[in-house]
Amino acid sequence: NAGVMQNPRHLVRRRGQEARLRCSPMKGHSHVYWYRQLPEEGLKFMVYLQKENIIDESGMPKERFSAEFPKEGPSILRIQQVVRGDSAAYFCASSPRNAPQETQYFGPGTRLLVL
Amino acid sequence: SQKIEQNSEALNIQEGKTATLTCNYTNYSPAYLQWYRQDPGRGPVFLLLIRENEKEKRKERLKVTFDTTLKQSLFHITASQPADSATYLCAPGEGGGSYIPTFGRGTSLIVHP
Repeated sequence: NAGVMQNPRHLVRRRGQEARLRCSPMKGHSHVYWYRQLPEEGLKFMVYLQKENIIDESGMPKERFSAEFPKEGPSILRIQQVVRGDSAAYFCASSPRNAPQETQYFGPGTRLLVL
Repeated sequence: SQKIEQNSEALNIQEGKTATLTCNYTNYSPAYLQWYRQDPGRGPVFLLLIRENEKEKRKERLKVTFDTTLKQSLFHITASQPADSATYLCAPGEGGGSYIPTFGRGTSLIVHP
């Protein structure tokens, strides 16, 4: 059973370009979470999605950031017009349910560098 | 505002000793608390979950305590090994609504052979 997959693992963009980060959850998991980790900082929650629904996007910036989890295919985190401050590691996690006793399984992350 | 504090200084210990990591929280009433391990360049890996009505949880060489009066959780690794060297993240979560834990910055543990 493959774990959570993220691609690309590393992404370099110039300021103003778009970044698309993909996440395929573990088989059987319908809940996906995106986090951002800046150097020397903790993981910050961005958005929680189920298939075709955004459940909680309280941690996602209102501008330039969007996320989706279509019926078919991976979840996508999209950052438009990237700025240097967007440089970070972006982690995706999945779980079979959304409940306190459920653990989240993390992917290896995508490291975004904005030049 | 809600705050989760983990010691930012690395904890250096000798192999075979018990490592104890601390997680303090303020302005928070977590229904549960999770501990994760993160290695450099990798995603966090879940280790243990403890609920607010549990005082202690064990798993092999790991032990977690949860004191809601002190607003503190302690994470112990007994008989530590160099392979235990990693960053350990504390993640309390509140009940109700979406169950999404909030992560502390983590404490780096270095076990010397």
